[in-house]
Amino acid sequence: GAVVSQHPSWVICKSGTSVKIECRSLDFQATTMFWYRQFPKQSLMLMATSNEGSKATYEQGVEKDKFLINHASLTLSTLTVTSAHPEDSSFYICSASEYKQGADTQYFGPGTRLTVL
Amino acid sequence: KQEVTQIPAALSVPEGENLVLNCSFTDSAIYNLQWFRQDPGKGLTSLLLIQSSQREQTSGRLNASLDKSSGRSTLYIAASQPGDSATYLCAVMADYKLSFGAGTTVTVRA
Repeated sequence: GAVVSQHPSWVICKSGTSVKIECRSLDFQATTMFWYRQFPKQSLMLMATSNEGSKATYEQGVEKDKFLINHASLTLSTLTVTSAHPEDSSFYICSASEYKQGADTQYFGPGTRLTVL
Repeated sequence: KQEVTQIPAALSVPEGENLVLNCSFTDSAIYNLQWFRQDPGKGLTSLLLIQSSQREQTSGRLNASLDKSSGRSTLYIAASQPGDSATYLCAVMADYKLSFGAGTTVTVRA
């Protein structure tokens, strides 16, 4: 159980275009989902926290107008990178939180590799 | 702001040797600490989760300890195998957020 999927697994786009990444919890309902970014040989950095039906909370330094997050249902969150530029090329990972047996546990998706040309 | 540091950044050992990976964090007010494995270009696999009230967790050849007061955790992998080659990430949970270290990349030589 507790499987999180991401789609697509990798994407290449031209500079200036927008890219949408989906994150789904397949077998549980996630009230909270998280989006991370990981540059090569660096740590995962939290970008934003999203709760179903409300606006996402962005970490300091993350442009909310550039990284649009929608959490329309308890099993789906999307991240849209608008007007992508080469510096946005990175590995994007989502996680979904399940509250079970008195504790919150985050389950991670497989990640999406974005390359902006 | 929570800072998580992992030492060493990389480690290469012959098969069969025990591995010791270190993690330190600056703010001891954590909810839990988790160790993950990440293979190249892949997502995260959770290995062990230690609640703040616990001192250690074990799973098979893996053992993780937690000293919250000193802000340290250690992951031990016994009798390493080539399949253990990966990057190991430490993360602490506080204020409903995970803060990650940069990882230790392990290579186990056959």
